[in-house]
Amino acid sequence: QQQVKQSPQSLIVQKGGISIINCAYENTAFDYFPWYQQFPGKGPALLIAIRPDVSEKKEGRFTISFNKSAKQFSLHIMDSQPGDSATYFCAARHPGTYKYIFGTGTRLKVLA
Amino acid sequence: DGGITQSPKYLFRKEGQNVTLSCEQNLNHDAMYWYRQDPGQGLRLIYYSQIVNDFQKGDIAEGYSVSREKKESFPLTVTSAQKNPTAFYLCASNPYQVNTGELFFGEGSRLTVL
Repeated sequence: QQQVKQSPQSLIVQKGGISIINCAYENTAFDYFPWYQQFPGKGPALLIAIRPDVSEKKEGRFTISFNKSAKQFSLHIMDSQPGDSATYFCAARHPGTYKYIFGTGTRLKVLA
Repeated sequence: DGGITQSPKYLFRKEGQNVTLSCEQNLNHDAMYWYRQDPGQGLRLIYYSQIVNDFQKGDIAEGYSVSREKKESFPLTVTSAQKNPTAFYLCASNPYQVNTGELFFGEGSRLTVL
């Protein structure tokens, strides 16, 4: 119930293409779903986040799609650039405890 | 500048030794967290604290200990009981308010057991 399952584990995309990363969760109590971007040797940084009462959120080239009934959410990176090459983590927050559960990460490589 | 400072960035330990990783934040955040990162396993929660002098075990607390004596500090001790301590350790903080969900992370500490 506390897991967040993320796929794929790795992804290679051509420059200008669309990168799609998927996550699924079981606990319907989760109230906040962020995506984090991490470069090698650095701490993760918030990329974009969504709450379960919204089906889509877009910030620049990054979009979260959220399907509450299917308990799934995904990150879409439009016009992917080599600078987007990083590891991406989805997460879910449990209300009250503010405990954040992370997915296992997706290593994205964008080819120039 | 406001942020989270972790030290040391790299640490080597002999088997059987305890080590303490430092985490300091000047963001005035109430909640602080320690995560462990291993390749292919994502970020796993070790301990978290929502308020001074209180903390809770996460999913992999065995072999670790923490303290929260001050709001800005949340040190993590990796004890000799931790069977496989080599990992990248990340400290994070959050304002612990319902409308502010962002976790702010430090730059991490890489611990290697020799």
